[in-house]
Amino acid sequence: GQSLEQPSEVTAVEGAIVQINCTYQTSGFYGLSWYQQHDGGAPTFLSYNGLDGLEETGRFSSFLSRSDSYGYLLLQELQMKDSASYFCAGSSYKLIFGSGTRLLVRP
Amino acid sequence: NAGVTQTPKFQVLKTGQSMTLQCAQDMNHNSMYWYRQDPGMGLRLIYYSASEGTTDKGEVPNGYNVSRLNKREFSLRLESAAPSQTSVYFCASSLLVDPHDEQFFGPGTRLTVL
Repeated sequence: GQSLEQPSEVTAVEGAIVQINCTYQTSGFYGLSWYQQHDGGAPTFLSYNGLDGLEETGRFSSFLSRSDSYGYLLLQELQMKDSASYFCAGSSYKLIFGSGTRLLVRP
Repeated sequence: NAGVTQTPKFQVLKTGQSMTLQCAQDMNHNSMYWYRQDPGMGLRLIYYSASEGTTDKGEVPNGYNVSRLNKREFSLRLESAAPSQTSVYFCASSLLVDPHDEQFFGPGTRLTVL
């Protein structure tokens, strides 16, 4: 089967760095995507890793290790507006989403 | 550009009623998707359409049908609603069904089945 595991909740302080991990059990995934979803809102795309290594986009970075079936999303210089749910998704010809990590940023 | 639009935003049905959720995109994307999201859960793919004229089942297709009306529009039909179909439904689109293609999501339809 195909499944992705993430921590259910993470809390961090404004200005800090937080890492959200994602491990997966699947075959046929070409890469790992990350989406952000604020309460009551729609998911929005953050990043995609098609190759092993680190991808950086501003304050957000994402990492993939295919050999370990593992990836993470790194958020730096946390802001209050980063409080949201973050989903990793295995990418093949369709997305398989993890159950999401709720990030709470405290002042 | 409106992006991906969905109607209605909210809907309450009684068990056994039918309804169609509408989705349209104005980004000239080839691929469209229907997901459901239950409280505290990730999104699960119901059906998708890789291109106009094709549709395929996702993870949870039972109880649903879809129609790719044209390149812009992709509708989801519940023939006989059940309480287990209470959920938030998201439509999404992407340029292609390609692993690295970003999916753009609509605002969602919040459906309650009594």
